[in-house]
Amino acid sequence: NAGVMQNPRHLVRRRGQEARLRCSPMKGHSHVYWYRQLPEEGLKFMVYLQKENIIDESGMPKERFSAEFPKEGPSILRIQQVVRGDSAAYFCASSPFPPGQGTQPQHFGDGTRLSIL
Amino acid sequence: AQKITQTQPGMFVQEKEAVTLDCTYDTSDPSYGLFWYKQPSSGEMIFLIYQGSYDQQNATEGRYSLNFQKARKSANLVISASQLGDSAMYFCAMREGNSGYSTLTFGKGTMLLVSP
Repeated sequence: NAGVMQNPRHLVRRRGQEARLRCSPMKGHSHVYWYRQLPEEGLKFMVYLQKENIIDESGMPKERFSAEFPKEGPSILRIQQVVRGDSAAYFCASSPFPPGQGTQPQHFGDGTRLSIL
Repeated sequence: AQKITQTQPGMFVQEKEAVTLDCTYDTSDPSYGLFWYKQPSSGEMIFLIYQGSYDQQNATEGRYSLNFQKARKSANLVISASQLGDSAMYFCAMREGNSGYSTLTFGKGTMLLVSP
């Protein structure tokens, strides 16, 4: 049973370019979460999505960042016009549980390390 | 106030010894869950152990156990019989409430180095 798959593992962009990060949740998981980890920090929540819906984007910067989880295909975190401060590790997590059950851990992918030149 | 506090930036332990990594949390919600994750130098996040706020017993998973002291709001991770492969960053995280979805709040982590 494959885990959460993220690609690319490493991504290098120049300032002003766009970055697209992909996440395929574990089989049977319909809840996807994106987190960002700045150097020497813990992970910080960005956005929570279910298929075709953004449920909570309270941790997402208001500009340049967007996320989607289409009916078919992986979830995409998109960063437009990247700046140096966007350099970080971006982690995706997924969980299977329906509303009301909160004991399962979120399963994390290996992350995408984004470097901005 | 920080929701998750890990006061130890780094810890050193000798192989085969036990080590305790500290975590205190802050919440007014009676229903919450506490998690520990390991992040080795390769970068992935590995789930270790979970403790629910209503669990009567401390959680254990192999060499990992969670010393849950609810009144003190602490959830320390105990690793018994340390191995070289335990060297990594360790993050404590909390999920508050029993809502239909969970987002995790992470501490800043503790770097554990296990020496031979």
